[in-house]
Amino acid sequence: DAGVTQSPTHLIKTRGQHVTLRCSPISGHKSVSWYQQVLGQGPQFIFQYYEKEERGRGNFPDRFSARQFPNYSSELNVNALLLGDSALYLCASSLVGGTTDTQYFGPGTRLTVL
Amino acid sequence: EDQVTQSPEALRLQEGESSSLNCSYTVSGLRGLFWYRQDPGKGPEFLFTLYSAGEEKEKERLKATLTKKESFLHITAPKPEDSATYLCAVQAGGGADGLTFGKGTHLIIQP
Repeated sequence: DAGVTQSPTHLIKTRGQHVTLRCSPISGHKSVSWYQQVLGQGPQFIFQYYEKEERGRGNFPDRFSARQFPNYSSELNVNALLLGDSALYLCASSLVGGTTDTQYFGPGTRLTVL
Repeated sequence: EDQVTQSPEALRLQEGESSSLNCSYTVSGLRGLFWYRQDPGKGPEFLFTLYSAGEEKEKERLKATLTKKESFLHITAPKPEDSATYLCAVQAGGGADGLTFGKGTHLIIQP
């Protein structure tokens, strides 16, 4: 079975632009979470979606938004990019997004903002 | 605010030299503690979930334990392929259902 897939693998943008990152969860998983990982740090929680509804949001500005589609795939959108948005963006899927569900991570999208 | 602190930040061992990594946490109502392994430029790979103090789990050369304030990842007779960054994360009772991660321990096993 395929694991979590993310696209694109790498992305280079300039300040002020917007970006859309995509994620497909493990088959049968209905919850998707997004994390930002800056070099040398642990991942930081951005959003969790379950059954197309936002379940939780981390401490990120409104420039960050996400949505989940009927097939459970998800998009993360970032507007008005800043240099500080350069990071590895990770998507994780879990069965139902419950409190004890294990989150399985994809390979990530490396975003570089110039 | 939930906090996770991992130590040491980096650890260099000889092949076969056993050691332990520490994860200290402060959370409001722990629901689960997770260990992940991350290779450079890749996503974290799930290793273990621990739910309550006293619980232990093993997988090959790795063993994870949990107390009320910290977790240990014991590595027995490590091999070079065990070199990676090991991340600890907690899921707390309140809040957003996201995981709170530590900064990780960068482990290097020299042949």
